[in-house]
Amino acid sequence: NAGVTQTPKFQVLKTGQSMTLQCAQDMNHEYMSWYRQDPGMGLRLIHYSVGAGITDQGEVPNGYNVSRSTTEDFPLRLLSAAPSQTSVYFCASSPVGRGSRETQYFGPGTRLLVL
Amino acid sequence: GESVGLHLPTLSVQEGDNSIINCAYSNSASDYFIWYKQESGKGPQFIIDIRSNMDKRQGQRVTVLLNKTVKHLSLQIAATQPGDSAVYFCAEITGNQGGKLIFGQGTELSVKP
Repeated sequence: NAGVTQTPKFQVLKTGQSMTLQCAQDMNHEYMSWYRQDPGMGLRLIHYSVGAGITDQGEVPNGYNVSRSTTEDFPLRLLSAAPSQTSVYFCASSPVGRGSRETQYFGPGTRLLVL
Repeated sequence: GESVGLHLPTLSVQEGDNSIINCAYSNSASDYFIWYKQESGKGPQFIIDIRSNMDKRQGQRVTVLLNKTVKHLSLQIAATQPGDSAVYFCAEITGNQGGKLIFGQGTELSVKP
């Protein structure tokens, strides 16, 4: 298994540009989440999904959209990038089941710089 | 509001010593806690977890203690090694929150040889 993969690893955008951060997992996990991590801080939840076709907002959803058309993929879209969205973005997935759903597996991250 | 926070932002220990990383949480309804380790340039890695109906859980060289009375969580690392150098985060889940982890700020552990 490749686990959780993210692309790209690094991206530079200009203010107002749009882009999609890709996330895929091959573990057949139902739960998937997107977090952002700013310097010296913990991760903050942006959006999450409890299964294909179902998404919900986290702590900091503004400026981001998500969709979950398949179990494997959970892309994060920035419609109009702003400098405040400069951050490292982590995707995570976890299985469903008592005692297991909370064990989240994280991808390697995408470093985004918005100029 | 709800928050999960850490007492110390940095911790420096000598190789071979035991390390203790602390975490305070404010949501008494939280029923599941997880410790993550994050090495530079990588995503968080699961270390150990504990449910609110437990006071202590042990893993390989790591122990998590939960004190619900004072809403305090700690991670103990025995015989700390240079490879343990990383940032450690506690995180909590409340009830049926699925993929919603609430992370604390993090503690950077530095192990001196």
